[in-house]
Amino acid sequence: GAGVSQTPSNKVTEKGKYVELRCDPISGHTALYWYRQSLGQGPEFLIYFQGTGAADDSGLPNDRFFAVRPEGSVSTLKIQRTERGDSAVYLCANPGEGKWRDTQYFGPGTRLTVL
Amino acid sequence: QKEVEQDPGPLSVPEGAIVSLNCTYSNSAFQYFMWYRQYSRKGPELLMYTYSSGNKEDGRFTAQVDKSSKYISLFIRDSQPSDSATYLCAMSASGGYQKVTFGTGTKLQVIP
Repeated sequence: GAGVSQTPSNKVTEKGKYVELRCDPISGHTALYWYRQSLGQGPEFLIYFQGTGAADDSGLPNDRFFAVRPEGSVSTLKIQRTERGDSAVYLCANPGEGKWRDTQYFGPGTRLTVL
Repeated sequence: QKEVEQDPGPLSVPEGAIVSLNCTYSNSAFQYFMWYRQYSRKGPELLMYTYSSGNKEDGRFTAQVDKSSKYISLFIRDSQPSDSATYLCAMSASGGYQKVTFGTGTKLQVIP
């Protein structure tokens, strides 16, 4: 596709449930980022993939959060035992190309609501 | 204290006004500076990108970086109702594949 896509666009779940959020990045990019944006805040870094491996997962808030990218393209962010505080928009991003390689291009996000 | 501080607004201006949006930061390692625009229920969209200190102009938008003061600005000339959005400043310490630190965003409303 032309840009980063994310599914689902909205996810409502109950406290304690498990959720998976999917990111389909721009084709050919080896780098992929996940961010979380809480209401009224800017995006906060969660994890960065270089290829299939997590090069920096320092932003994951705790061990309930996990992300994979098994084939170096699609990535899935997994949240176990969801809590109401996990409610936020989860954003996926790819770096730009050429002179824009130091910037990041975002998908539309998945809005997660934990009831 | 957050690494990047940004006034959340909201900022309300009449159509045609010049808008000034600002951020301050504390991490002297930041070298790459960006401004993103985010419409309601959409992902952030890159507007401007500047490396180190200086000015950059693109149409109605001008980005300024003053590393000595740890202060960055975005100016919007001849503001339009379509400019109504949240503007996020963002910065990173090095180029290539590095995490970006964002401000909280300033909500702008341009009134026709």
